[in-house]
Amino acid sequence: AQKITQTQPGMFVQEKEAVTLDCTYDTSDPSYGLFWYKQPSSGEMIFLIYQGSYDQQNATEGRYSLNFQKARKSANLVISASQLGDSAMYFCAMREPYSGNTGKLIFGQGTTLQVKP
Amino acid sequence: EPEVTQTPSHQVTQMGQEVILRCVPISNHLYFYWYRQILGQKVEFLVSFYNNEISEKSEIFDDQFSVERPDGSNFTLKIRSTKLEDSAMYFCASSGEDRVVYEQFFGPGTRLTVL
Repeated sequence: AQKITQTQPGMFVQEKEAVTLDCTYDTSDPSYGLFWYKQPSSGEMIFLIYQGSYDQQNATEGRYSLNFQKARKSANLVISASQLGDSAMYFCAMREPYSGNTGKLIFGQGTTLQVKP
Repeated sequence: EPEVTQTPSHQVTQMGQEVILRCVPISNHLYFYWYRQILGQKVEFLVSFYNNEISEKSEIFDDQFSVERPDGSNFTLKIRSTKLEDSAMYFCASSGEDRVVYEQFFGPGTRLTVL
């Protein structure tokens, strides 16, 4: 069965520093997608970044980058130059393999990030 | 920029009552989902919907739950007889034609409180 693990329930980072949020996953299918979402205190889910299992390069979106280590089955989110507005819950999620699937997302438990001024 | 919308933003109901949560997915999307998040916990998949039928449902999605796409734009989740444990944030999501690549766009959620 597929599984997403986020082992850091809470993290602190100083404003303007970089932070890495850990995510490991487990799947036996070679084709999958990995996502990171941000959930601020207001509750909405904001898409941050996507990495496909066949992508050759690590995904980047502005200050967000995904450190994808396929052999280790890890997909860590790196936020560079943290801002106060980055304080939120962050979820790692995996989409089921493409073949014969519905595309549902399986989420990790989340990591609460607090950015200190 | 197109977005998924959900109404109401907050619904309070008495145990045993029926509730309908409404969603308007992004107009050219083909795949629709409901997820829920109990306060402080992770987001859990409930059901996926494609081509006017349920494509997959989780064990949470029992006979008390149903989904509909009544008019080609709205996507609804009905809970027939609410229980206290149904209190949660319910998210609707939709994705485009290329499910391999496109992310799921989430709505802002409906917070359901069952008293």
